Amino acid sequence: KAGVTQTPRYLIKTRGQQVTLSCSPISGHRSVSWYQQTPGQGLQFLFEYFSETQRNKGNFPGRFSGRQFSNSRSEMNVSTLELGDSALYLCATSGGVVSGELFFGEGSRLTVL
Amino acid sequence: DAKTTQPTSMDCAEGRAANLPCNHSTISGNEYVYWYRQIHSQGPQYIIHGLKNNETNEMASLIITEDRKSSTLILPHATLRDTAVYYCIVRSSDSGYALNFGKGTSLLVTP
Repeated sequence: KAGVTQTPRYLIKTRGQQVTLSCSPISGHRSVSWYQQTPGQGLQFLFEYFSETQRNKGNFPGRFSGRQFSNSRSEMNVSTLELGDSALYLCATSGGVVSGELFFGEGSRLTVL
Repeated sequence: DAKTTQPTSMDCAEGRAANLPCNHSTISGNEYVYWYRQIHSQGPQYIIHGLKNNETNEMASLIITEDRKSSTLILPHATLRDTAVYYCIVRSSDSGYALNFGKGTSLLVTP
């Protein structure tokens, strides 16, 4: 069974640009969550989607947005990039037998110069 | 969701049991205790969860105190590959997947 796939794995952008990250969930998983991880703030929840609807949203500015498609694949977008957006962005999906068990991808490491 | 408190770091000798404590004194009756770990440069991995009773699986055991205000994750025979950051998370079953990971405990298993 394939795991959670995130693309791209690494990317470098400059301030002011925008970026789109993609997450393909485990087959059958309908919940997709996004997290940002930085050395200073740790793992922080961005948003969660279920059946194409945003179910929860973390405390991030409107520059951070996401969406989920009918096949449960999800994308997140960050516009007007700032240096502080440099982070590991992790996608997690759920739908497994254990309620509350999240399966994480390996992340997309974004560097903003 | 209730807040958790964990030690910043711990050491454990290889082959010994690693006991990782977590305080969640404000936990509510419908909130579960979850444990995840994150090995360097990888995404977090689910370990175990429980509500009231002690739980055991192939990875670890979870001991929850009777008043549910604290818990301990036990890795019975730690190996070098168990070196990771361990996160204790409290979550209610109807809160979706907006997990508060906190800072976790950095466990170092030494030879």
